[in-house]
Amino acid sequence: SQQGEEDPQALSIQEGENATMNCSYKTSINNLQWYRQNSGRGLVHLILIRSNEREKHSGRLRVTLDTSKKSSSLLITASRAADTASYFCATDFQGAQKLVFGQGTRLTINP
Amino acid sequence: GAVVSQHPSWVICKSGTSVKIECRSLDFQATTMFWYRQFPKQSLMLMATSNEGSKATYEQGVEKDKFLINHASLTLSTLTVTSAHPEDSSFYICSAPLGSSVYEQYFGPGTRLTVT
Repeated sequence: SQQGEEDPQALSIQEGENATMNCSYKTSINNLQWYRQNSGRGLVHLILIRSNEREKHSGRLRVTLDTSKKSSSLLITASRAADTASYFCATDFQGAQKLVFGQGTRLTINP
Repeated sequence: GAVVSQHPSWVICKSGTSVKIECRSLDFQATTMFWYRQFPKQSLMLMATSNEGSKATYEQGVEKDKFLINHASLTLSTLTVTSAHPEDSSFYICSAPLGSSVYEQYFGPGTRLTVT
């Protein structure tokens, strides 16, 4: 399967702490994106990082990409209860006109 | 930003019946749309790529006769689940790319299908 692996599958932390999620993939990519999904809802796009980029920031989000290890991480700093959601990475591969999603991390922020 | 809608947002149907789900790009045209299925606490799995004016491309293991896809216009794709069974109960999500870049996709809010 081309689907990426994410870890941890579930993460529970206290409000104010930082949350780190990881994503690994199998083949060379063009871009990697992170999405958030609240329970029973659609996807919200968070951030895109291109294969030639190593780090990107957006507000409290920091994404890194290591193409040599075929992995990416999403860091959410100073977490809030509203960050409780599932987070998915998605990659588009060279030669494939589609997105492939990772397994996702279920993040719970405890007040 | 670009908006994709889905209708209905939820549907309950009896086993053996068919149900149609619509996906619309509201403020842009999409020659391609994607249909995903998501089971509880799982990730999105691509079912098929809908192509305007031509046949859909189905992912391996997806029954094309059971999941009928029609992309009749540049703003509308439909997914019909035929002879639905309880195991078809799932969250169905569509997406449409803006332009030719597959990575810039806009996702619909999803349709919750429950087959009783």
